[in-house]
Amino acid sequence: DVKVTQSSRYLVKRTGEKVFLECVQDMDHENMFWYRQDPGLGLRLIYFSYDVKMKEKGDIPEGYSVSREKKERFSLILESASTNQTSMYLCASSLQLLAGSYNEQFFGPGTRLTVL
Amino acid sequence: LAKTTQPISMDSYEGQEVNITCSHNNIATNDYITWYQQFPSQGPRFIIQGYKTKVTNEVASLFIPADRKSSTLSLPRVSLSDTAVYYCLGQNNDMRFGAGTRLTVKP
Repeated sequence: DVKVTQSSRYLVKRTGEKVFLECVQDMDHENMFWYRQDPGLGLRLIYFSYDVKMKEKGDIPEGYSVSREKKERFSLILESASTNQTSMYLCASSLQLLAGSYNEQFFGPGTRLTVL
Repeated sequence: LAKTTQPISMDSYEGQEVNITCSHNNIATNDYITWYQQFPSQGPRFIIQGYKTKVTNEVASLFIPADRKSSTLSLPRVSLSDTAVYYCLGQNNDMRFGAGTRLTVKP
């Protein structure tokens, strides 16, 4: 079974702190994704990566950065946490897309981040 | 982009069949239609995928008409544990899940 793990289920940080959210997958997937989920807004894509050291901005990258130094690990970084970044953060991974096919995303359990 | 449209919420009672329809008017020839399910406090999980006609698995059925501009996820005899958000995706490389349909099953 594919397993996507996230470093914390719950996290409480203070405004201005630098926050690292870690995600690890064990199925050798090329693609990895970071989403945030807020009530009424659904899942919104922050960043994704299709290879080591590669990253692409999603719909809401402002205030975030990412790092992918190894294939299995994708980190989301909040350079200076703010209260409006209080949210549920979900990581996902998938195989590289082949033309004419769909590769499902496998999600981690999520990290509920509270910024005070 | 194959933008999808689905109802924001639905209510049902235990034992009923639930049908959630999604429209994807601009779906491309090669694109699959995929549905995910998300329980509270969990990440979404893939439940079913189809290209045309009907697909059935142990969780749900997916009905896709010939024009593929819409699809219907069917959950037979729902139980309280089917309360979840259901997402429809209409593009193979779709990373935009949107708000989904929040299904609430009542006793």
